[in-house]
Amino acid sequence: GAVVSQHPSRVICKSGTSVKIECRSLDFQATTMFWYRQFPKQSLMLMATSNEGSKATYEQGVEKDKFLINHASLTLSTLTVTSAHPEDSSFYICSAGVAGLDTQYFGPGTRLTVL
Amino acid sequence: AQSVTQLDSQVPVFEEAPVELRCNYSSSVSVYLFWYVQYPNQGLQLLLKYLSGSTLVESINGFEAEFNKSQTSFHLRKPSVHISDTAEYFCAVSEAAGNKLTFGGGTRVLVKP
Repeated sequence: GAVVSQHPSRVICKSGTSVKIECRSLDFQATTMFWYRQFPKQSLMLMATSNEGSKATYEQGVEKDKFLINHASLTLSTLTVTSAHPEDSSFYICSAGVAGLDTQYFGPGTRLTVL
Repeated sequence: AQSVTQLDSQVPVFEEAPVELRCNYSSSVSVYLFWYVQYPNQGLQLLLKYLSGSTLVESINGFEAEFNKSQTSFHLRKPSVHISDTAEYFCAVSEAAGNKLTFGGGTRVLVKP
């Protein structure tokens, strides 16, 4: 149980285009989803926290207009990188959790490469 | 605010030798502590966690970690590593159940035959 999927697993796009990444909890309902980015050989940095049906809470320094997060249902959250640039190239990882429970379950990640 | 420090960025170790990965944290409140493992090009998998109770926690694949409140540490150990343990290991803390995690910088373990 507690499986989280991400789609796509890998995406390459041209500079200036927008890319949408989906995060789904497959066998449980996630009240909270988290989005992280990870640069090569570095740790995970939290970008934002999203709760179903409400606006995401962004970490300091993360542009909310550039990284649009939607948590439309208890099993789906999306991250849209708008007008992507090469510096947005990174490994994006989502995690899902249930309110009051201690463990987050992580997706396999999406590698974004912006040319 | 919380922070997590993993003192070793890389740890080479021979197969069947013991390994210890160090993790220290700082927080003004009680925390939950986690160790995650990341295999190449994959997401994170929970290895073990400390929430309360016994300060020594174990995973199903032979890892253990001990919470030391006075030293604010949560070091990870395995008495005998396998080639398959080659991965990146992340220590993390959260202030409350289901809350956001703060990660350490990670320790890359390379097991050599």
